[in-house]
Parts: sequence; C-alpha cells; structure tokens
Amino acid sequence: GNSVTQMEGPVTLSEEAFLTINCTYTATGYPSLFWYVQYPGEGLQLLLKATKADDKGSNKGFEATYRKETTSFHLEKGSVQVSDSAVYFCALSDSSLTQGGSEKLVFGKGTKLTVNP
Amino acid sequence: KAGVTQTPRYLIKTRGQQVTLSCSPISGHRSVSWYQQTPGQGLQFLFEYFSETQRNKGNFPGRFSGRQFSNSRSEMNVSTLELGDSALYLCASSLGIGNQPQHFGDGTRLSIL
Repeated sequence: GNSVTQMEGPVTLSEEAFLTINCTYTATGYPSLFWYVQYPGEGLQLLLKATKADDKGSNKGFEATYRKETTSFHLEKGSVQVSDSAVYFCALSDSSLTQGGSEKLVFGKGTKLTVNP
Repeated sequence: KAGVTQTPRYLIKTRGQQVTLSCSPISGHRSVSWYQQTPGQGLQFLFEYFSETQRNKGNFPGRFSGRQFSNSRSEMNVSTLELGDSALYLCASSLGIGNQPQHFGDGTRLSIL
C-alpha cells in the first residue's frame, strides 16, 4: 500500500537558518503530495501541495518539489522564523486507485520544528 | 468563509461509555474524512463520507462508526470506549472530486478515564 516516510526529528534551528525536512513516499499510482503544519492545540493547516511530477508547491516561503524519479517531496525554507515552530506532516492522496475516488490521506509521522531566537 | 467546525472541543468519558462527535464542513464541500491522532500511532484514517455514502474505511474496529447528513455535516460515534481510544479526533472536508486538499478542523480531544 501507499506510505510516507519523513525524518522524525525533532529539529532545532536558530532564526534565519535554512530548513530541510525530508519526505519520501511509496505509491503505486500517481498521487498528489501535500505538506501540512500543526501548531499546538490546533488542527492541521495545508501548507502547500503538488499534483504531478516536477510541480513545485510554495507558500509563506516554504517550497517542495515533486520528484518522481526519487519519490521525494522535501520541504525547504531559506530563512526560518520563531513563528515557524510547529509540527510538519508530509502526506499523499491517490484517489485514482481507491474505490469511488476516495481522497484518503496517508501521513508521515511528523517532524517537530523548534526555532530559537 | 467559515472553516471546518468540530464540536465539542474536549470530552472526558469513562470506559464502556459511548460518544458522538460532530463535524460541520466548509460550505460547498461534499467529502468529510475523520482521522485519529495519537502520539504513538500518529495520524490514522478512520473513514470518509461523500454525498451521505461511506466512500472508504480505515482499519478500525466496528465500535467506530460514522454518518453524513444531506447538508454534508458528519458525525462519528465510538461505542464501548476503551482507554486506548483517548486521542485527538480530526475532521477534514474537501470538494471530493479527486485528490483535492483537505481542510481540517481543530479537533475534538477525547480523554477516557
């Protein structure tokens, strides 16, 4: 079945440092890929998405490129801020292979990021 | 545009009881999915409803059930609660037309004593 593997962390960085969170996936079809972020006490917020190979998703300074050849979707940000401290989840959805076109998300375990001033 | 609303935010129950959680999706969204989040197992898919029909189901016992109403609002029910059911239950809605981003509510924190 489909699965997502991401570096579990925790990751601790200083403000303005470069961030990379690795994510690789296993899928038999052509999934869409997502990054979600979860702040303490809240649900998940969609950060960015990519729906096909070589697509680059971007939002709020974060970027990730859908690499089919390496089955990866690594999250990057050039200069992190204290406000970026949260848990980040990589996820995939492949409605083409599920009965009725289900949009079930398969998540990685999450990576906790702490940014110090 | 109002987001996904889950009620209640917090619940405390005892073993053996049952509980019903509610989710109101974003207006116009026809798909509602439920996930269980725990520190040990992470985020696990419970089930998905689309136009009042269960479209997919995760690997959870039959004590977990759900339904969707004609206005797309959804409820999930857990019967005969066990200590291991303590978790954050998240609801997400989407348009439901294929690989669309899901939008999450803030969840219901269920604690079993």
